[in-house]
Amino acid sequence: GQSLEQPSEVTAVEGAIVQINCTYQTSGFYGLSWYQQHDGGAPTFLSYNGLDGLEETGRFSSFLSRSDSYGYLLLQELQMKDSASYFCAVFPGRDSNYQLIWGAGTKLIIKP
Amino acid sequence: DGGITQSPKYLFRKEGQNVTLSCEQNLNHDAMYWYRQDPGQGLRLIYYSQIVNDFQKGDIAEGYSVSREKKESFPLTVTSAQKNPTAFYLCASKTGGDSVTEAFFGQGTRLTVV
Repeated sequence: GQSLEQPSEVTAVEGAIVQINCTYQTSGFYGLSWYQQHDGGAPTFLSYNGLDGLEETGRFSSFLSRSDSYGYLLLQELQMKDSASYFCAVFPGRDSNYQLIWGAGTKLIIKP
Repeated sequence: DGGITQSPKYLFRKEGQNVTLSCEQNLNHDAMYWYRQDPGQGLRLIYYSQIVNDFQKGDIAEGYSVSREKKESFPLTVTSAQKNPTAFYLCASKTGGDSVTEAFFGQGTRLTVV
């Protein structure tokens, strides 16, 4: 089967740094993406990793290790507006009939 | 501006009634998806389509139906056979095939059975 695992909830303090992990088990792999979803809203794309290493976009960074089937999203200088759910997603390609495979999401709670 | 539009934003359904959720995109994307999201949960795939006039069942297709007569449109019908349809429904699109690109989501339709 195809599966992704991520923590259900993470709590952090405003201004701090938080890391959200994602491990995956899929038959094919083209890349790992991260999406943010605020309560009542639609998911929006944050980042994509197709190769090993770190991708940085402002306060957000995403890391991938293909040999470990593992990635993480790093959020720095946390702001209250970062309170949301974060989903990792894998695109296995033809092996999944071109479906995106989604993690269950991590709810990020930020305390002042 | 290009994007993906879902309508209506809120929908109320009576018991035993079929309802249709609209999803339109002008991004020229081949692939379109329907997801269901229950409170505090992740995305569950209902149906997806890689090309016009073709679609595939996802993990929870029972009680739902779709059509893909035009590239731009992928409506979802929630039938009376769906016993617990109250949920947040999200439509998404992306370029098709092996290309790895971001998925774009509509703003969702919140369906409530009354």
